[in-house]
Amino acid sequence: DGGITQSPKYLFRKEGQNVTLSCEQNLNHDAMYWYRQDPGQGLRLIYYSQIVNDFQKGDIAEGYSVSREKKESFPLTVTSAQKNPTAFYLCASSIKLAGSSYNEQFFGPGTRLTVL
Amino acid sequence: GNSVTQMEGPVTLSEEAFLTINCTYTATGYPSLFWYVQYPGEGLQLLLKATKADDKGSNKGFEATYRKETTSFHLEKGSVQVSDSAVYFCALPNSGYSTLTFGKGTMLLVSP
Repeated sequence: DGGITQSPKYLFRKEGQNVTLSCEQNLNHDAMYWYRQDPGQGLRLIYYSQIVNDFQKGDIAEGYSVSREKKESFPLTVTSAQKNPTAFYLCASSIKLAGSSYNEQFFGPGTRLTVL
Repeated sequence: GNSVTQMEGPVTLSEEAFLTINCTYTATGYPSLFWYVQYPGEGLQLLLKATKADDKGSNKGFEATYRKETTSFHLEKGSVQVSDSAVYFCALPNSGYSTLTFGKGTMLLVSP
């Protein structure tokens, strides 16, 4: 089955520790995204990547880092510089189409990070 | 840039009631429009989409029509079920077509 996997589903860390969230897709999608969701809030874009070895900051990139060494993988590191890291993190991917057309994003199941 | 506004929730309905969740947008041109649904503790799933003006997207009894005159894409369902309880997000591409811009989400609670 094609899809997006995020692991683990629940993650606990102590304050001051860096933590890396995994996101893998086997949809052969070019573009991948990371969002943060807080209780009762919408989605806020952290980083996105439209091609291997390239990525762009979203609206709330401070305190986060990413890499895109392989097309199918887009890990997110939450660093100790992120002041309020406890949240639900969602990864997504989409086909990158040329021109002005745009296809939908497909989402993973999410990782709930709790910093103690 | 492109933006979307949806009605605030929660929307509380009894089973078999009619549902409308309002969504209006501001955009350059006529981008595709999307409705996503998020069940508790899960990621988002695409519910329906419309790719051009006057298109109607539909899925699982839900419908939304892309209306350029009123810049709206309201979500409707004729008879909701308890299993429809979830958060619904309206979305459209940003002006650079590099990502999606989401509304803040509307929680729907359906009681038996």
